[in-house]
Amino acid sequence: DTEVTQTPKHLVMGMTNKKSLKCEQHMGHRAMYWYKQKAKKPPELMFVYSYEKLSINESVPSRFSPECPNSSLLNLHLHALQPEDSALYLCASSQGRAVEAFFGQGTRLTVV
Amino acid sequence: GDSVTQMEGPVTLSEEAFLTINCTYTATGYPSLFWYVQYPGEGLQLLLKATKADDKGSNKGFEATYRKETTSFHLEKGSVQVSDSAVYFCALRTNTGFQKLVFGTGTRLLVSP
Repeated sequence: DTEVTQTPKHLVMGMTNKKSLKCEQHMGHRAMYWYKQKAKKPPELMFVYSYEKLSINESVPSRFSPECPNSSLLNLHLHALQPEDSALYLCASSQGRAVEAFFGQGTRLTVV
Repeated sequence: GDSVTQMEGPVTLSEEAFLTINCTYTATGYPSLFWYVQYPGEGLQLLLKATKADDKGSNKGFEATYRKETTSFHLEKGSVQVSDSAVYFCALRTNTGFQKLVFGTGTRLLVSP
């Protein structure tokens, strides 16, 4: 099983809303990632968790707040987003940081 | 810094044509190399990988060989199908530092019947 599950698939939120994106994997991977992908662009790394600790924050604005409650779950809490934050948000996991990453289907976020 | 360069798209082919998508990289050390595919409205799927020089990754009829001397990892398929229409991303992961996954800009492939 090489599945990474993301919920919801689609999300529309207002600029004053608070919402969360969820990601789950049961492959025993100890590294988990959030990426942001704009249309016709490659994914951009946002955060990396290694063994449930935040190890990389790519200077992401504080309106994005990641959380790793346990080794299988990764959340991305969203608050006071801007329309330019509309994008496909991808979660990924890997056995370690030195091997291939497996991606979820993504959450298509629209900020209105 | 580390980087990946892919050929500009879109690449437009007829069904059963031969496919090549060029990918070259710049990296310190000896990176692992990957091809990911993204179908419309979906996430990225790992297509194939190679972890050292002269390795050949293959999957679903696609192949790519890790060429250290030319710093390349070109994707090939002998006979494309309409269902291969997607965006293909070449990527590397270095073996040093933070070992981030670095993507190329992606190449869109359009296959017509």
